[in-house]
Amino acid sequence: RKEVEQDPGPFNVPEGATVAFNCTYSNSASQSFFWYRQDCRKEPKLLMSVYSSGNEDGRFTAQLNRASQYISLLIRDSKLSDSATYLCAVRRGDSWGKLQFGAGTQVVVTP
Amino acid sequence: GAGVSQTPSNKVTEKGKYVELRCDPISGHTALYWYRQSLGQGPEFLIYFQGTGAADDSGLPNDRFFAVRPEGSVSTLKIQRTERGDSAMYLCASSSSLAGGVGEQFFGPGTRLTVL
Repeated sequence: RKEVEQDPGPFNVPEGATVAFNCTYSNSASQSFFWYRQDCRKEPKLLMSVYSSGNEDGRFTAQLNRASQYISLLIRDSKLSDSATYLCAVRRGDSWGKLQFGAGTQVVVTP
Repeated sequence: GAGVSQTPSNKVTEKGKYVELRCDPISGHTALYWYRQSLGQGPEFLIYFQGTGAADDSGLPNDRFFAVRPEGSVSTLKIQRTERGDSAMYLCASSSSLAGGVGEQFFGPGTRLTVL
């Protein structure tokens, strides 16, 4: 079983709609959590760090559920420019330098 | 300010050749990371430097892969006797160091390596 798993999608979302997807992690020693956005053939760009209380940045909301070992990302009022692959990344407390990434969730926002 | 830069952006080589990939981190970032990403996968950790030393090289797949960071800034990833399976996007990231750990990682544009 992979340490970090994501639904690959694609999630086809009408413009203006809300989309949400999860990322599960298997190692309970995981301590830090991140969402990155990656456009085709480009580098991952940090979207949000995920705090234990959950956090919001504009139209994006991230949540952490430690009991069930998953993080979620919700995008409200989707824009065409939100079309991308969303990677979740997890860092364990015993391995500070290493991010474990999921394979990504593809989101396609349609007009 | 300037982000992480990587050169070359693309590298095509023949099986068995030696390649070097360069990464210039964000100024002031003491931590530097190498990842590689294959199509349809997330980035896979290779090695992490704190200053000049490799703090964790557990992701290097075999002894053909080696990385250095002699002055604690620019890093070079070296691959000997390249194989077709080494073809991937090689990503470098850097972060600041915080008390008790490291900060968020910011990625460079990557080097796309193709081994023919």
